[in-house]
Amino acid sequence: DAGVIQSPRHEVTEMGQEVTLRCKPISGHNSLFWYRQTMMRGLELLIYFNNNVPIDDSGMPEDRFSAKMPNASFSTLKIQPSEPRDSAVYFCASSFEDYGYTFGSGTRLTVV
Amino acid sequence: SQQGEEDPQALSIQEGENATMNCSYKTSINNLQWYRQNSGRGLVHLILIRSNEREKHSGRLRVTLDTSKKSSSLLITASRAADTASYFCATVTNAGKSTFGDGTTLTVKP
Repeated sequence: DAGVIQSPRHEVTEMGQEVTLRCKPISGHNSLFWYRQTMMRGLELLIYFNNNVPIDDSGMPEDRFSAKMPNASFSTLKIQPSEPRDSAVYFCASSFEDYGYTFGSGTRLTVV
Repeated sequence: SQQGEEDPQALSIQEGENATMNCSYKTSINNLQWYRQNSGRGLVHLILIRSNEREKHSGRLRVTLDTSKKSSSLLITASRAADTASYFCATVTNAGKSTFGDGTTLTVKP
């Protein structure tokens, strides 16, 4: 397995634009997590899915953020409209049941 | 505030020495996990300890969990320069929600 695959690796966009981050979890994993990491706030859980169903989205900062998991092999995190304070590294992770998480390499988002 | 909080924030040791990092948390957990992150990379899972376990080993890693004190420690024995990284603890509730601490930055000098 190639691990958790995130795309793009880097994204630079202008304020107000829509940004879509993508994640392919490990096949067979039934939980998927989206995290955001910044120097100021550390690693924050944004939302997590279990069997493709959103379980807890209390970490999603604002209505500008939305996440979907249409099937077991794909998830997206969308920011619309983007703002400079959304600049961060966004990680996707997956796991099977309550075992350890496998993280992707992250998407470094810069909003100018 | 964060569920898991590590200390120290930074640790610098010589190669061959042991490194100990601590994690404290506030609410009930299902399990606690430790991760390593090298600069500019994703997090790598090191070890998971469940709430009914007290100690676990994996290679040069030893993790303890004291649920009465709501704390855990990660010990890296015979450290190597390649162990230089940030180390995070993550607590996971019975509902599956995970919370990461702010991490300990470990520097191992050759």
